[in-house]
Amino acid sequence: GNSVTQMEGPVTLSEEAFLTINCTYTATGYPSLFWYVQYPGEGLQLLLKATKADDKGSNKGFEATYRKETTSFHLEKGSVQVSDSAVYFCALTLNSGGSNYKLTFGKGTLLTVNP
Amino acid sequence: KAGVTQTPRYLIKTRGQQVTLSCSPISGHRSVSWYQQTPGQGLQFLFEYFSETQRNKGNFPGRFSGRQFSNSRSEMNVSTLELGDSALYLCASSATSGSGYNEQFFGPGTRLTVL
Repeated sequence: GNSVTQMEGPVTLSEEAFLTINCTYTATGYPSLFWYVQYPGEGLQLLLKATKADDKGSNKGFEATYRKETTSFHLEKGSVQVSDSAVYFCALTLNSGGSNYKLTFGKGTLLTVNP
Repeated sequence: KAGVTQTPRYLIKTRGQQVTLSCSPISGHRSVSWYQQTPGQGLQFLFEYFSETQRNKGNFPGRFSGRQFSNSRSEMNVSTLELGDSALYLCASSATSGSGYNEQFFGPGTRLTVL
């Protein structure tokens, strides 16, 4: 089956530190990959996406590159801010077989950024 | 354009009761998916509806059911509530049902507490 594994949290960083959250996946097919963010008390927001191998998704200073050879989609940001404190979810969906509506999520990684 | 709305935002029930949650998708979106979020299991797919038809269901007992109306609004129902049903229930909508990538937009969720 399909699965997503992301690094266990929580992750605590100081403002302006470099962030990496690792994500690897297993999929029977050709997935699209996503990072979602959940701020306290809110639903999920799409942070960035990549729909094919070697694509780089980017948004708000965050980046992730779809690496088919290592089945990975690691999230990075060069300089985090306090406002980046949230839970980050790596997710995938298949692009065929009528399964494109179903997201498979990792467990989530809590990021806390201290001033 | 208004986002996905979910009502109510918070709900408290007792064991054995039933509950109905509502989701209004983004205007023009015809696909609605439901997810359950718990600290232990993370985010899990419940089911997805398109054009009033359930296309697939996740691995949940029959106590969990849903439906979609002709205006694409969706409801999910949980009967005979158990303590373990306490969770954040998230609804997501997407624009099309075709193959390939379809971005899902999430609502803020309904927080259900079962006492």
